[in-house]
Amino acid sequence: QVQLQESGPGLVKPSQTLSLTCTVSNAYVSSNDYYWSWIRQHPRKGLEWIGYVSYSGSTFYNPSLKSRVTISDGTSKNQFFLKMTSVTAADTAVYYCARSRSWSPFDPWGQGTLVIVSS
Amino acid sequence: EIVMTQSPATLSMSPGERVTLSCRASQSVGNNLAWYQQKPGQAPRLLIKGASTRAAGISARLSGSGSGTEFTLTISSLQSEDFAVYYCQQYNNWPYTFGQGTKLEIK
Repeated sequence: QVQLQESGPGLVKPSQTLSLTCTVSNAYVSSNDYYWSWIRQHPRKGLEWIGYVSYSGSTFYNPSLKSRVTISDGTSKNQFFLKMTSVTAADTAVYYCARSRSWSPFDPWGQGTLVIVSS
Repeated sequence: EIVMTQSPATLSMSPGERVTLSCRASQSVGNNLAWYQQKPGQAPRLLIKGASTRAAGISARLSGSGSGTEFTLTISSLQSEDFAVYYCQQYNNWPYTFGQGTKLEIK
């Protein structure tokens, strides 16, 4: 059973860089036809897809966040990463990582990690 | 991007009742539509994919229908564990997008 787990600082100062890691159990990020996404949820609000890194290392980002976001898989077979620069209070949210395939929904999801942007 | 619109925002229902939630896409998504359930403090849980196929372990009381731009999720007889927030999501075109959610609350 594939499981995902987010980790990273829960508090980031305004203008700094938010960095999160998603650790995948029982699967490899390079597994064919899988896409590894970051999704966030502002407090008491809906869900916003941030971007993905694919099994081949290609990336695609939400146009609304593209200028500030980098998603990568690095050299680890079972981790992928989110970096978001120049954060503001508007980036305070629960951040989830999730897996999908081509033409498929997100499943499974990690449990989520709350990131607060505050000085 | 494709805009997903859910209605209503909130539904107040009683256990045992039948309920239908609606989701509309701003352009056709075929049947590439999923429904998720989210409870407080938890990640969304996949309920329905392909507009009408229940995910593994999902009760037969839940059913999805629709194609193109109009979709519904029906719960035939509400039980206590069904009271939650429900999101639809299209996966026909990146960026994949979600509806704003329907909160199903106990009347």
